[in-house]
Amino acid sequence: DAGVIQSPRHEVTEMGQEVTLRCKPISGHNSLFWYRQTMMRGLELLIYFNNNVPIDDSGMPEDRFSAKMPNASFSTLKIQPSEPRDSAVYFCASRGTGGRYTFGSGTRLTVV
Amino acid sequence: DQQVKQNSPSLSVQEGRISILNCDYTNSMFDYFLWYKKYPAEGPTFLISISSIKDKNEDGRFTVFLNKSAKHLSLHIVPSQPGDSAVYFCAASYGGSQGNLIFGKGTKLSVKP
Repeated sequence: DAGVIQSPRHEVTEMGQEVTLRCKPISGHNSLFWYRQTMMRGLELLIYFNNNVPIDDSGMPEDRFSAKMPNASFSTLKIQPSEPRDSAVYFCASRGTGGRYTFGSGTRLTVV
Repeated sequence: DQQVKQNSPSLSVQEGRISILNCDYTNSMFDYFLWYKKYPAEGPTFLISISSIKDKNEDGRFTVFLNKSAKHLSLHIVPSQPGDSAVYFCAASYGGSQGNLIFGKGTKLSVKP
């Protein structure tokens, strides 16, 4: 298995632009999580899906953030418009019936 | 308010010595605890876990201790190796291994040769 695949690995964008981060979970995993890592707050849970359905988005910082999971093999996290304070590493993780999380390699987002 | 706290942002240890990473939690409902390790430019990877019905779990050089009354867990690495240099995240959940994880901020361990 290729693991959890995130793209792009790095993204540099100008303030105000739309940013879309992508995630392909491990096949057969039924839960998907989006996390954000910063020095100040560590790993924060933004949103998670069970069976493609958003369950808890209370961690999404603002309405500028949105996430979708149109099918079991794909999810997106969108920031529109982006701001410099959104700069962070964004991780996607999936979880199967065994309960263990598998993380992707992350997307390092820089908003200038 | 942080439910899982790692109060030491960094730790430096000599190769061959013991590394002790600490974690405190506030939610008494947590019943499953994990440690993840993260290398630069990679995602966190699972290291070791412990259920609240135990107070110790060992896997090779890694041992996790749980003190429920103090709401404290620790990760011991013996002996420490330079390859152990990474950021270590403590995580907790309720609902057993199927619960959603809440992570601490991480502790950066540096093992010096």
